[in-house]
Amino acid sequence: KAGVTQTPRYLIKTRGQQVTLSCSPISGHRSVSWYQQTPGQGLQFLFEYFSETQRNKGNFPGRFSGRQFSNSRSEMNVSTLELGDSALYLCASSLTPTGAGETQYFGPGTRLLVL
Amino acid sequence: DQQVKQNSPSLSVQEGRISILNCDYTNSMFDYFLWYKKYPAEGPTFLISISSIKDKNEDGRFTVFLNKSAKHLSLHIVPSQPGDSAVYFCAASESNYQLIWGAGTKLIIKP
Repeated sequence: KAGVTQTPRYLIKTRGQQVTLSCSPISGHRSVSWYQQTPGQGLQFLFEYFSETQRNKGNFPGRFSGRQFSNSRSEMNVSTLELGDSALYLCASSLTPTGAGETQYFGPGTRLLVL
Repeated sequence: DQQVKQNSPSLSVQEGRISILNCDYTNSMFDYFLWYKKYPAEGPTFLISISSIKDKNEDGRFTVFLNKSAKHLSLHIVPSQPGDSAVYFCAASESNYQLIWGAGTKLIIKP
C-alpha cells in the first residue's frame, strides 16, 4: 500500500507570492492533518480535515487555508508569503479523525523556502 | 504556552547503553501519548504509544513510562543502536482533539 505522498518536495518562493501544497493520503484514510515544522519549534498543528470538512484548526493566521476533496486528497494554500513561512510542511493521514488511539502516518514533507 | 515540552534538544548515548528521552506536559486532560521518530528528509514515523490508564507500555527495545502525577513521560531504548539516531518527538492528545507536539530531542548514538 502506498504511503502518504506530498508534492512538491521542495519549493522556493518570494515574499508576497502564494503557494499551494498537495497531499495524497494512504488509500482508505479519510483524515488529513497538516503541520508546520521549524527548527526548535516541533510540529505546529495547522488544520485537520475529515470527509471534506475542517475538523480542527490551529493558531495560524488566515493566510493559511486548506481543503479536502472527495477522494480525501488535500491541499493547503499560503497566501502573501512571509519570510517566517519558510519551514517543512508535513501532511499526515489516518483512518479516522485524530484522537485517542489513532495513529497518524506522515508524508516526507514539502520544504518551502521564502526569499 | 507549550503544553508538551521536551527540554533536552539533544542527547548523546553510547551504543549498547540505555537511551532515556523525557517529555513533560501541563494539561492534565491529556489521555493519550505517543512517540514518533524522524530521520532527516523523511516524515515522522510512529514508534510507541500509551494511554492514560496505563503507566507502562513495551514494544521490543522501546518502553514508554507514564507518570501522571508528575505529568511526565519517558521513552527508554535498550540497547541503543546506531539506527536509533534520529529526532524523537513526543505528542499528546485529549479525547478527540488534535495532537500537541513537543519540540523534539535529537538522539545521537555513538559507536
